[in-house]
Amino acid sequence: ELKVEQNPLFLSMQEGKNYTIYCNYSTTSDRLYWYRQDPGKSLESLFVLLSNGAVKQEGRLMASLDTKARLSTLHITAAVHDLSATYFCAVGDDKIIFGKGTRLHILP
Amino acid sequence: EPEVTQTPSHQVTQMGQEVILRCVPISNHLYFYWYRQILGQKVEFLVSFYNNEISEKSEIFDDQFSVERPDGSNFTLKIRSTKLEDSAMYFCASSYRDSYQPQHFGDGTRLSIL
Repeated sequence: ELKVEQNPLFLSMQEGKNYTIYCNYSTTSDRLYWYRQDPGKSLESLFVLLSNGAVKQEGRLMASLDTKARLSTLHITAAVHDLSATYFCAVGDDKIIFGKGTRLHILP
Repeated sequence: EPEVTQTPSHQVTQMGQEVILRCVPISNHLYFYWYRQILGQKVEFLVSFYNNEISEKSEIFDDQFSVERPDGSNFTLKIRSTKLEDSAMYFCASSYRDSYQPQHFGDGTRLSIL
């Protein structure tokens, strides 16, 4: 069964710093998603990565996919407080499996 | 921007009662999903639905659960006899095509079983 593991699960960082969230998954899939969730809110789609080597960027967030390593990364550049949220990666075709989420807390 | 809408936002039900959660997906979307999220935990896939039938379901989606698209706009999740452990946030999602497009999530229904 497909397993999706994220690390770290909790990250507290200072504004202005860079950091990376990692997402490993257990079976071959060329479809990987990143979502953001604010407390008590719904999930907002950030990126859909569809092929090996895919890289997408939006503002201070950049996501990449290595299907051979079964690894995706979400890189945060010069973090700002507004990026504080929980970030989920999810993998799959028709049945999407989510990781446990990375709770990101950015200190002003 | 079109949205997925879910009603009610909060449902409180006695254990053993039936509950129906309602969703209106984005109008030109063809794929529909239900997920649940127990407080503070990860999002769990329940079921996917396409062309008026279930295309995939998880182990959680047992005989107590059913889904229906009763008309051209609504998509419902029914839990026949609720248990305490069914307490969670239930999210509906839809997408235009298959998984090459992101799923758009509704705001969720918080289900509390007493």
